[in-house]
Amino acid sequence: GENVEQHPSTLSVQEGDSAVIKCTYSDSASNYFPWYKQELGKRPQLIIDIRSNVGEKKDQRIAVTLNKTAKHFSLHITETQPEDSAVYFCAASKANQGGKLIFGQGTELSVKP
Amino acid sequence: GAVVSQHPSWVICKSGTSVKIECRSLDFQATTMFWYRQFPKQSLMLMATSNEGSKATYEQGVEKDKFLINHASLTLSTLTVTSAHPEDSSFYICSATWSGEKLFFGSGTQLSVL
Repeated sequence: GENVEQHPSTLSVQEGDSAVIKCTYSDSASNYFPWYKQELGKRPQLIIDIRSNVGEKKDQRIAVTLNKTAKHFSLHITETQPEDSAVYFCAASKANQGGKLIFGQGTELSVKP
Repeated sequence: GAVVSQHPSWVICKSGTSVKIECRSLDFQATTMFWYRQFPKQSLMLMATSNEGSKATYEQGVEKDKFLINHASLTLSTLTVTSAHPEDSSFYICSATWSGEKLFFGSGTQLSVL
């Protein structure tokens, strides 16, 4: 089955710096890659997603890149702010699975003012 | 946007009792709902996939007689933790989808078994 590896497990940056979180997946049939942000004790919130027919997608300070050949995708956050501090999860799924997501291990991002 | 409601948000129960958690899609009909378990500072572990009117599909290692899932309608799925024990204490969270792609999560239930 699918396996998603996420790195780093923790990331600390200064406010205003960029943060990059990387994930690799094992199943070449996976075609949908969302990123979720989860604050302590709260539900995961979808922040950006990308499909396998696209190499890059951007939404204001957040971008995601996908390399299908290498089977990895990355989350980029620019101009980080303290409110970006949270745990970020990548995930992967494939068509005809009804939305079944396999999650990475999570990255705890801390943005220091 | 799509809203998924989950209740209760927290529950404390005695060992040996059963606890039911509800997951409702408020403004859409969910073709599929998923149940996850999350330990502190860990990832979401998929427990089972729930489709309306059919038996849930459980992930390997998840006891179906321990974690009963009922998906009575396109807007409601329930998870019952039967004969709960302290090791069942965890954060349980559901998600729902109508597209078979984007998932929307409930707010989670913190279960503490004494």
